[in-house]
Amino acid sequence: QKEVEQNSGPLSVPEGAIASLNCTYSDRGSQSFFWYRQYSGKSPELIMSIYSNGDKEDGRFTAQLNKASQYVSLLIRDSQPSDSATYLCAVFSTSGTYKYIFGTGTRLKVLA
Amino acid sequence: DGGITQSPKYLFRKEGQNVTLSCEQNLNHDAMYWYRQDPGQGLRLIYYSQIVNDFQKGDIAEGYSVSREKKESFPLTVTSAQKNPTAFYLCASTRRTDGAKNIQYFGAGTRLSVL
Repeated sequence: QKEVEQNSGPLSVPEGAIASLNCTYSDRGSQSFFWYRQYSGKSPELIMSIYSNGDKEDGRFTAQLNKASQYVSLLIRDSQPSDSATYLCAVFSTSGTYKYIFGTGTRLKVLA
Repeated sequence: DGGITQSPKYLFRKEGQNVTLSCEQNLNHDAMYWYRQDPGQGLRLIYYSQIVNDFQKGDIAEGYSVSREKKESFPLTVTSAQKNPTAFYLCASTRRTDGAKNIQYFGAGTRLSVL
């Protein structure tokens, strides 16, 4: 089992729709959870961080964390073609070494 | 403006050659990291450093070496022992070395190819 799992996609949604991206993780001791957006050929940029159970909203983005289910998601409301990118889920692991573990990313396509 | 500067943006390596990727940050961050990204893959940790003159191996350290002589700088050398070096290399940093709520910021990356 991978430490951080994401569906690779592509996830295609029409412009204006809600895009839902999901991520599961295996380390129950994980404390911090991050969503990064990565455009093709570019470096990751932070979209959201979340540290406690529940929802966290920032503009059109909502991160949801459920530690009991080891599940974190990102909702993008009113999706725009400019949101088309790969979204990486990252988890800060407290097991053993101090490091961030990344999923392989979900490719999102917003269709105009 | 504060940030992480990686250079060069593109790098070509001849067989048997060592090459060094530069990473400099002016964010006054304590910890620095090197990742490798292959097409369609997530980021894999090569090395990280939490303090000057100290660093630890990540998941794929073989064929790579690093140094941390200054807080601002964390260069990565891809040695000739790394047989498949073609990838996108990303440098990152975090303000603190302890755990939670510690956001990782990335440089623009260096794309390494083999001639």
